[in-house]
Amino acid sequence: KQEVTQIPAALSVPEGENLVLNCSFTDSAIYNLQWFRQDPGKGLTSLLLIQSSQREQTSGRLNASLDKSSGRSTLYIAASQPGDSATYLCAVTIGSYIPTFGRGTSLIVHP
Amino acid sequence: EAGVTQFPSHSVIEKGQTVTLRCDPISGHDNLYWYRRVMGKEIKFLLHFVKESKQDESGMPNNRFLAERTGGTYSTLKVQPAELEDSGVYFCASSPNRADTQYFGPGTRLTVL
Repeated sequence: KQEVTQIPAALSVPEGENLVLNCSFTDSAIYNLQWFRQDPGKGLTSLLLIQSSQREQTSGRLNASLDKSSGRSTLYIAASQPGDSATYLCAVTIGSYIPTFGRGTSLIVHP
Repeated sequence: EAGVTQFPSHSVIEKGQTVTLRCDPISGHDNLYWYRRVMGKEIKFLLHFVKESKQDESGMPNNRFLAERTGGTYSTLKVQPAELEDSGVYFCASSPNRADTQYFGPGTRLTVL
């Protein structure tokens, strides 16, 4: 059974810092790994999707890496801004295409 | 293009009552998924429709939960009778094909008192 763990559970940083959010999973036979953002009262927004054959994906100030052999992914946020405050969720998908989610990292970026 | 919508956004009911949640997927998306997040836990899969057919309902907690997708468009998730442990946020998602990225709705927050 796939289990996904996210560390830290919560993070509070001043604006401008570079951040690393961590995700680990127990079964390395994944189809893809996805990072989502959730704002209060809103749905999940897909940030980055990394296929199993890829090592990383980048979008703007976000960079996600994937190391299947060690069962880890990191989401790097450069030059954080207050607008980045949200909950960040990691989800891994295996052959069934149904994602298994972590509990998320709650991020607060204060001015 | 309209996203996935869910109704209601919040529902507060008493134990033993019935509640029906509705999800309208993105137009043209054959795949529709229901998920639930109980407070303090991770989001968990409930079931998956392909058009009007249930493809996978392995995540449904028990027979108090009934999901339908008549006509292959919107879907409803009924909880009858509701129990305290059913409280949580119920998310719906849709995708064109099973392997595509899923687009999530804002969720329905259900509170059972």
